[in-house]
Amino acid sequence: ETGVTQSPTHLIKTRGQQVTLRCSSQSGHNTVSWYQQALGQGPQFIFQYYREEENGRGNFPPRFSGLQFPNYSSELNVNALELDDSALYLCASSLASGAGELFFGEGSRLTVL
Amino acid sequence: GNSVTQMEGPVTLSEEAFLTINCTYTATGYPSLFWYVQYPGEGLQLLLKATKADDKGSNKGFEATYRKETTSFHLEKGSVQVSDSAVYFCALSGRNFNKFYFGSGTKLNVKP
Repeated sequence: ETGVTQSPTHLIKTRGQQVTLRCSSQSGHNTVSWYQQALGQGPQFIFQYYREEENGRGNFPPRFSGLQFPNYSSELNVNALELDDSALYLCASSLASGAGELFFGEGSRLTVL
Repeated sequence: GNSVTQMEGPVTLSEEAFLTINCTYTATGYPSLFWYVQYPGEGLQLLLKATKADDKGSNKGFEATYRKETTSFHLEKGSVQVSDSAVYFCALSGRNFNKFYFGSGTKLNVKP
């Protein structure tokens, strides 16, 4: 059973650019959530996808968008990058019936210069 | 709104010492409460959870009791080991588990 994998692990962008982060969910998991973790802070909820539909969104602007594919993998897209977008982006997969257990990847570290 | 506050770290203990990491929450409705742990170089993983008032979650010698009257979910362990060194996150979620609110994390260092 493979765990949650994210790519890339590290990347550097400049202000105004766009970025796409990818996540492969754990085998059999139909739900993917994305979190942003700033340095020294806890993860903040961006959004969740269930069966390719957005199933909840946190307080993030529309330039943060996502997709979930039929194989339950997911992408996080961020447009018009700002310096404050520098953070660790975490993907977590789960079962809709999993009573709250999230399985996290190791994250993608984004630096915006 | 929903939020979680946990004690700031780092917490440094000697092996076999007693551990308490405080966590309090603010929530609407009846949240479920969780402790997640992040070991060095790894992703966050669930340590324990409690889904209703007075429930006690336990795992790997760690315990936490859901106290609705004090809105708390403090993490305890009677005797820590060096291998417990990690960052611990308290979190809450609503009934449908589609959105988690995490505290800022507490780093635990256990010295031999």
